[in-house]
Amino acid sequence: QKEVEQDPGPLSVPEGAIVSLNCTYSNSAFQYFMWYRQYSRKGPELLMYTYSSGNKEDGRFTAQVDKSSKYISLFIRDSQPSDSATYLCAMIQAGTALIFGKGTTLSVSS
Amino acid sequence: GEEVAQTPKHLVRGEGQKAKLYCAPIKGHSYVFWYQQVLKNEFKFLISFQNENVFDETGMPKERFSAKCLPNSPCSLEIQATKLEDSAVYFCASSQVGTGTGGEKLFFGSGTQLSVL
Repeated sequence: QKEVEQDPGPLSVPEGAIVSLNCTYSNSAFQYFMWYRQYSRKGPELLMYTYSSGNKEDGRFTAQVDKSSKYISLFIRDSQPSDSATYLCAMIQAGTALIFGKGTTLSVSS
Repeated sequence: GEEVAQTPKHLVRGEGQKAKLYCAPIKGHSYVFWYQQVLKNEFKFLISFQNENVFDETGMPKERFSAKCLPNSPCSLEIQATKLEDSAVYFCASSQVGTGTGGEKLFFGSGTQLSVL
């Protein structure tokens, strides 16, 4: 079993839809949870950063962490064509390297 | 600089040739990380540095791969005797603080696409 599991999609939604992206993980020592967005031929760009369980909101983006279920989510409200990208979850425990999920490719059509 | 600069953008090598990739971290960032992205979405951690010292090299292949971060020079990742399976995008990232400290926001460069023919 991989440490971080993420459905690669692709996921296609119409403009304005609510998008839900998810990752599960097996290592209960992970403490910090991140979502990165990667456009084609670019490096990943940090979107959301959370510590431990709970919700964090930033504009149209909401990140949720449920440590008891080892499950994290990213919600995108009012999705836009510019949100079309690959979304990677990432997580880390103290003193180790960032571990990425495989990424979910999202396409938002106008 | 204000962004992580990676050069070259593309590198083509014949099998068995050497490949050298460069990374200039964001000014003021003490940590540098190298990741390999194979098959588009699979990120594999290779090595990290704290200034010029190796911080974590648990992901580095034991043979053929080496990396350095020297003062006043871009960091480098070198692959001796490249193989077909080394074809990937190599990303460099930098951060102000080390991983697991609560401040590890990694900023990535645009990557170097290595193609081994």
